[in-house]
Amino acid sequence: GAGVSQTPSNKVTEKGKYVELRCDPISGHTALYWYRQSLGQGPEFLIYFQGTGAADDSGLPNDRFFAVRPEGSVSTLKIQRTERGDSAVYLCASSKGSADTQYFGPGTRLTVL
Amino acid sequence: GENVEQHPSTLSVQEGDSAVIKCTYSDSASNYFPWYKQELGKRPQLIIDIRSNVGEKKDQRIAVTLNKTAKHFSLHITETQPEDSAVYFCAASISSGSRLTFGEGTQLTVNP
Repeated sequence: GAGVSQTPSNKVTEKGKYVELRCDPISGHTALYWYRQSLGQGPEFLIYFQGTGAADDSGLPNDRFFAVRPEGSVSTLKIQRTERGDSAVYLCASSKGSADTQYFGPGTRLTVL
Repeated sequence: GENVEQHPSTLSVQEGDSAVIKCTYSDSASNYFPWYKQELGKRPQLIIDIRSNVGEKKDQRIAVTLNKTAKHFSLHITETQPEDSAVYFCAASISSGSRLTFGEGTQLTVNP
């Protein structure tokens, strides 16, 4: 079946702008995760949804970052007032339940000029 | 919070040789340890995982060992092939459904 998908694959924006990154999880997966991966490093946890609610948002770096999952499927990661340091690959993962393997999407490469 | 350290950062082997990558973790509550393979520009893909009630798990040429007392786990790849070349990440979490804490990655190069 279809895996986790993310759009756009690449996003270039200017410092100070607002961006939205979208994640479509595997159909039927109730858990959804966002990670951020900087060049040469491992993915870093941002936020975890179980259904529509954020079960753990302790990885969000500051209040410029926000994520929603209003219907328990698609999720959007929103970044306000982007900074050059936000440049990274943003990865989404989903799992069937709260105790299952996490499957990753291809990521969105965000570049802030 | 959890801290995962991984070494070596780069590993170069000849085709057919074995490769071993080691990770240590800090949180004794961690009980789920997956390994992901990431090719350049691609998504991380799970290759094997182990839970704390098991000391070793094997899948064809890939095996993982876990020592909970010492808080370390290792990935073993036997009979390496050029297509095994990639970055490998270890991770740990307190359950398979919670946040993963990743190591820094190991760039494995298998030379033909």
